[in-house]
Amino acid sequence: EADIYQTPRYLVIGTGKKITLECSQTMGHDKMYWYQQDPGMELHLIHYSYGVNSTEKGDLSSESTVSRIRTEHFPLTLESARPSHTSQYLCASSDRDRGSFTGNTIYFGEGSWLTVV
Amino acid sequence: DAKTTQPPSMDCAEGRAANLPCNHSTISGNEYVYWYRQIHSQGPQYIIHGLKNNETNEMASLIITEDRKSSTLILPHATLRDTAVYYCIVRVAEGSARQLTFGSGTQLTVLP
Repeated sequence: EADIYQTPRYLVIGTGKKITLECSQTMGHDKMYWYQQDPGMELHLIHYSYGVNSTEKGDLSSESTVSRIRTEHFPLTLESARPSHTSQYLCASSDRDRGSFTGNTIYFGEGSWLTVV
Repeated sequence: DAKTTQPPSMDCAEGRAANLPCNHSTISGNEYVYWYRQIHSQGPQYIIHGLKNNETNEMASLIITEDRKSSTLILPHATLRDTAVYYCIVRVAEGSARQLTFGSGTQLTVLP
């Protein structure tokens, strides 16, 4: 079982509100990721980090921002939520290659369902 | 990363083995085969991965053909809780997170 946790699991907020989705992992993984997934659709990478103070944008453009001040913590923030931000947000992490057969497996949290009304 | 092809849906009787196929005919020598599953409204769950040899863990077995162009995920005794979308992915071990493309997967329905 992966030790990666997301809160809140479900959130309904009004347009214009600021929200932060929390993500923490206790596996000591260097790499962390945020994906966005609409129901029945593919996952899209929106942010990733290869270590503390390292953040990069992913393939899908997103108005959200992330920070990586501690290895275990990778929060995602929306400064002003809009209905178009309604989606499931998935946090994930993976270890760096240690020369074993881990194959850089990516582990996911249970996801945060955001609804902006 | 190589593209994969999976059937869109499969049914399996509870207690029977579920065999989920995946074609990856353009796989490169340094690409692993990964399997994940996603139960409705939850995050993808890692199941198993392999490079060349067959692999087994507490969840499933992975059979990779000798030419590595296809593989089969086997759930030996499927339960109702195994109903999910199963994704076959090929990627290099140290690949960018951009390369984790899940595609549409196979919807496995385990029937009572």
